[in-house]
Amino acid sequence: AQSVAQPEDQVNVAEGNPLTVKCTYSVSGNPYLFWYVQYPNRGLQFLLKYITGDNLVKGSYGFEAEFNKSQTSFHLKKPSALVSDSALYFCAVRDYQGTGGFKTIFGAGTRLFVKA
Amino acid sequence: EAQVTQNPRYLITVTGKKLTVTCSQNMNHEYMSWYRQDPGLGLRQIYYSMNVEVTDKGDVPEGYKVSRKEKRNFPLILESPSPNQTSLYFCASSLTGQGPSENEQFFGPGTRLTVL
Repeated sequence: AQSVAQPEDQVNVAEGNPLTVKCTYSVSGNPYLFWYVQYPNRGLQFLLKYITGDNLVKGSYGFEAEFNKSQTSFHLKKPSALVSDSALYFCAVRDYQGTGGFKTIFGAGTRLFVKA
Repeated sequence: EAQVTQNPRYLITVTGKKLTVTCSQNMNHEYMSWYRQDPGLGLRQIYYSMNVEVTDKGDVPEGYKVSRKEKRNFPLILESPSPNQTSLYFCASSLTGQGPSENEQFFGPGTRLTVL
């Protein structure tokens, strides 16, 4: 079965330090991978995606993610964290069905705390 | 403004009383979906629709119904709500093309449902 794992419930980092939020996946075929962010009392917002091409993808708010096929990982990174980056982050993968449609599978989420 | 709207935003109801949560998007998206968000479980897909009159089950469809009679609307129906359906619900939409610019989902603000 297709799945997405975010092994850390919470990540703590000091402002100005680099941050990494981890994601691993298990899908058949070529994966479509996404990162979304959820701020308190808000819906999810798209950050970035990997469809094909360069393994390092850049997204909104200075975030980037590295696709690693051999390790089936898609870790979210930012060189210098801001307090305003504190939020809940979700990794997701598109799971194609035999009918031609697709499901979307989300990880459990990782809460990021950036301390001033 | 491009957006996904949901109504109501908050709802407290009692077991067995039928309810409908509406979802509408103004972006002419083919794909629409409903998720529920529960602590520690991330987002789980309830139903999705690839286009008008085309709907399919996600990972947790039990106790829910949907319909897609118009492209812009995708209501979620709970015929006989139970306390285990207390959750935060999100509607989302996206294009369904295979191209790199057509994959991310846009989320509504959420509906917090409590079933007593």
